[in-house]
Amino acid sequence: DIQLTQSPSFQSASIGDRVTITCRASQGISDSLAWYQLKPGKAPRLLIYDTSTLQSGIPSRFSGSESGTEFTLTISSLQPEDFATYYCQPLYGYPQFTFGPGTKIDIK
Amino acid sequence: QLQLQESGPGLVKPSETLSLTCTVSGGSIRSSSHFWGWIRQPPGKGLEWIGSVYYSGSTYYNPSLQSRVTIAVDTSKNQFSLRMNSVTAADTAVYYCARVAYSTRYYLDYWGQGTLVTVSS
Repeated sequence: DIQLTQSPSFQSASIGDRVTITCRASQGISDSLAWYQLKPGKAPRLLIYDTSTLQSGIPSRFSGSESGTEFTLTISSLQPEDFATYYCQPLYGYPQFTFGPGTKIDIK
Repeated sequence: QLQLQESGPGLVKPSETLSLTCTVSGGSIRSSSHFWGWIRQPPGKGLEWIGSVYYSGSTYYNPSLQSRVTIAVDTSKNQFSLRMNSVTAADTAVYYCARVAYSTRYYLDYWGQGTLVTVSS
């Protein structure tokens, strides 16, 4: 089975920090990725799709990139509303989904 | 603005059937450009995709759940539904419905708020 990993699994950060989350697979999965933000009691939010395309309405401090088999979500300047858990999801050519294990960003 | 809302019992007994409905508003479930999906998150764990349905009724299921799951669409009510039989405590989770969009690949662009389903006697 393909194993998805995210690093870090947990990070304490401060307002204004630059935060980087990485998603990797044990073997090649896809050439494209999406990122989601989850908060308790709220609807999950799509941040990025097609690796680097910002979803409509998402602030520009969020960005996505790729280097080889490693995908990255960057928050350039962390805001109070960004404390949440983030999940990566490889994109496939059929409507089936797997998700990374998640990265929780907490207040330092 | 597209909105999705899950509804259904919050408590289900072991061995019984879990039934949830997702009501779509602000858009049509008959969209030829979208699928509709169910995803769940057990307490303290990550996300697990359950299945996806097209307005025509075509479905894709997670192989690990396929034997117990049925996803259907009701275009007259702009709703789609999830049925999972023979539930156990391991099926306790927040269940989300979502819209499946397509660019070069498939992703989930709108989600419901989720509903907690507890399996317990």
